[in-house]
Amino acid sequence: DAGITQSPRHKVTETGTPVTLRCHQTENHRYMYWYRQDPGHGLRLIHYSYGVKDTDKGEVSDGYSVSRSKTEDFLLTLESATSSQTSVYFCAISDPGAVTEAFFGQGTRLTVV
Amino acid sequence: DAKTTQPTSMDCAEGRAANLPCNHSTISGNEYVYWYRQIHSQGPQYIIHGLKNNETNEMASLIITEDRKSSTLILPHATLRDTAVYYCIVRKGGSNYQLIWGAGTKLIIKP
Repeated sequence: DAGITQSPRHKVTETGTPVTLRCHQTENHRYMYWYRQDPGHGLRLIHYSYGVKDTDKGEVSDGYSVSRSKTEDFLLTLESATSSQTSVYFCAISDPGAVTEAFFGQGTRLTVV
Repeated sequence: DAKTTQPTSMDCAEGRAANLPCNHSTISGNEYVYWYRQIHSQGPQYIIHGLKNNETNEMASLIITEDRKSSTLILPHATLRDTAVYYCIVRKGGSNYQLIWGAGTKLIIKP
């Protein structure tokens, strides 16, 4: 299995509080991604990074920010959590190239009450 | 990126071949077909990908029609552990790995 660790794996937080999720990789892959998955749906891209300090928005970026100060770490922050952000969050990594596969972490289940 | 259409769910008997169809009628010439699966809310797992030729690896075979408007993922001898949601995705080649995910096919392998 690719070396991807998400932390925490589960979190319950209150509306309005800040939350940071961490993705750590040991594969030295250049690209890192944050997705969210809601019941009965596929994954939706929140933000991605194509290098240290280089990030860009995905299709559902409102309410989220990211940071990548080291190759191995990609942080997702909910500045002020809302109930609509209750979801399972997945981190993924990949290397540049035309046809590479992406490797996914095991997910973080976040509940905003 | 082109959209894909998959059946919502399918059943297959254990030990038989599972054939999962996918329609991607608007696929363009530089878009690849990828298959991932997700077992019981774990992180998605890559299975296979192809451009126009049929592909086979240790997990599955991918059959792409000549016009590339549809494809079939084949699990040759399905086991109970193959019960999962299977996602068919098309994406352009290139360094940005943005994937547009549909709802996938829930495959249930029955004993």
